[in-house]
Amino acid sequence: NAGVTQTPKFQVLKTGQSMTLQCAQDMNHNSMYWYRQDPGMGLRLIYYSASEGTTDKGEVPNGYNVSRLNKREFSLRLESAAPSQTSVYFCASSVIQGKLSNQPQHFGDGTRLSIL
Amino acid sequence: GQSLEQPSEVTAVEGAIVQINCTYQTSGFYGLSWYQQHDGGAPTFLSYNALDGLEETGRFSSFLSRSDSYGYLLLQELQMKDSASYFCAVRGENQGGKLIFGQGTELSVKP
Repeated sequence: NAGVTQTPKFQVLKTGQSMTLQCAQDMNHNSMYWYRQDPGMGLRLIYYSASEGTTDKGEVPNGYNVSRLNKREFSLRLESAAPSQTSVYFCASSVIQGKLSNQPQHFGDGTRLSIL
Repeated sequence: GQSLEQPSEVTAVEGAIVQINCTYQTSGFYGLSWYQQHDGGAPTFLSYNALDGLEETGRFSSFLSRSDSYGYLLLQELQMKDSASYFCAVRGENQGGKLIFGQGTELSVKP
């Protein structure tokens, strides 16, 4: 089982360039998430998709857009990259069940993005 | 809003026991999770508490007190491979399963 697959693993962009980060999961999960992680920091939620066809903003959505293409795929787009968006980006997925049930998020290996 | 506090660093020796605390403030609360992340790697799920009390999974245990908005992760019989960052995360009500993560605690296990 591949789990959550992110592409690319590494990318260097120039300021102002655009880029789409791809994420796909094969666990039939209904919810998917995009996070960024800066050095020495926790994971900050950029956008999430609770189910196919819906997306919502997280803590740090500015400068990003997302598309939930189908149940498997959730992409993150930087329309005009800025140096402040240099970070490691993680995609995750989970299945949403009852209120108190455990719903662990499964993470991809990350995309290391540098913007010059 | 939601916020979590955990120590930034903890150091312990191999074979010892270490406790990593997490306090949280959240509007609505469904549960507290713990994740482990080795340097540069993907975070992986460790433990989850929705109700008060202790959950045990092998060498790792996690505790929650909802009345105190407090939880901890307990690691026993520490091994060198336990050196990693540990994150607590809360899931709030009506939020599509999304998690808010703490800043992480970097655990260093010394020989």
